[in-house]
Amino acid sequence: SQKIEQNSEALNIQEGKTATLTCNYTNYSPAYLQWYRQDPGRGPVFLLLIRENEKEKRKERLKVTFDTTLKQSLFHITASQPADSATYLCAGYSSASKIIFGSGTRLSIRP
Amino acid sequence: DGGITQSPKYLFRKEGQNVTLSCEQNLNHDAMYWYRQDPGQGLRLIYYSQIVNDFQKGDIAEGYSVSREKKESFPLTVTSAQKNPTAFYLCASSIAGIPYEQYFGPGTRLTVT
Repeated sequence: SQKIEQNSEALNIQEGKTATLTCNYTNYSPAYLQWYRQDPGRGPVFLLLIRENEKEKRKERLKVTFDTTLKQSLFHITASQPADSATYLCAGYSSASKIIFGSGTRLSIRP
Repeated sequence: DGGITQSPKYLFRKEGQNVTLSCEQNLNHDAMYWYRQDPGQGLRLIYYSQIVNDFQKGDIAEGYSVSREKKESFPLTVTSAQKNPTAFYLCASSIAGIPYEQYFGPGTRLTVT
């Protein structure tokens, strides 16, 4: 079945370091991938979108990559801050499958 | 949470009762969506609507119903036929067509006992 898979284990890193989250997709080819941030008990907030023909996208301290060979997207937060602590969701869109969300990776930034 | 409101934030119901969750948006978006989120799982699409008076089933529509009588409103009814209704429900909207960016509401946590 078509899936978006994210590391279910929480990622804990030191403030100031770069956080890298992984999103892998299987059994389909998304035309684009999205990344959302979700805080506890709240709705997700859109961060970035990257299309299949784009290698990399940046927005302030955020960077997303899309590797169609590895079937993977990497989401980086540079100079991480405690305020970046949240769950990050990856979602992939294709015209056949619509949007499929991963289960998210919880990120904790310790001071 | 953008221009989408969901009410109430918490909802408690007894098993066997139907319950309707509210979703309103003032973003002038044509498309609206309902998702369900369970612990450790991704968002799963229940229903979506691309235009007023039209909606389509998502991946887990059984036991749910929707209506889209107004552009701004997309209420979701959780019926007694839904076997495991306790979950966090999220409403979203986007421009029509391909949803490059979805705007989510704050969610409603439904508990059925």
